[in-house]
Amino acid sequence: DTGVSQDPRHKITKRGQNVTFRCDPISEHNRLYWYRQTLGQGPEFLTYFQNEAQLEKSRLLSDRFSAERPKGSFSTLEIQRTEQGDSAMYLCASSPGTDRHYNSPLHFGNGTRLTVT
Amino acid sequence: AQSVTQLGSHVSVSEGALVLLRCNYSSSVPPYLFWYVQYPNQGLQLLLKYTTGATLVKGINGFEAEFKKSETSFHLTKPSAHMSDAAEYFCAVFYGGATNKLIFGTGTLLAVQP
Repeated sequence: DTGVSQDPRHKITKRGQNVTFRCDPISEHNRLYWYRQTLGQGPEFLTYFQNEAQLEKSRLLSDRFSAERPKGSFSTLEIQRTEQGDSAMYLCASSPGTDRHYNSPLHFGNGTRLTVT
Repeated sequence: AQSVTQLGSHVSVSEGALVLLRCNYSSSVPPYLFWYVQYPNQGLQLLLKYTTGATLVKGINGFEAEFKKSETSFHLTKPSAHMSDAAEYFCAVFYGGATNKLIFGTGTLLAVQP
């Protein structure tokens, strides 16, 4: 168990540019989540996958955001035409995803910190 | 709306003193409750969870929490603080049904003074 891995750890970009983050979940975890965390706030849910299927998206996920998990393993989160308000820590988490969802605690990666200048 | 409230965004205790971090939730049905800890520039680590059964839950690093349905609370405690406990702590609640996700409180930053 190598844990949830996120890449890059830090990303600085100029407003209007596109960025893509990668998340590698714990192997055999079939649920994968993306959260966003801004300073002084708790993580806010963005979206989650059950295997390759994206089952839920938050209203926070505007049209500029897209997430994929093509083979049910790693996932990418892309932000197009970044805005300064997108500056945040983007956290990925995975869980075994048993039928009893609540019994599967989320395992978090160390996050990708995005700064939009 | 379903929510999680953590009273006190900053808590400071002396080393060796009792740690008490407060968490209240809103729910008309028993939720599933978690505490996570976050160290600087790191992700969140699970401290403990309550799903069913015993209402006093023990976690890692000497922390424990008690689920009190009548008070809709899930406060986190540790009898004796250690310098290494300095971190941010998040209470989280899983709501099923239409929500079906983990919702976090805004966090409490714990400082431990020597």
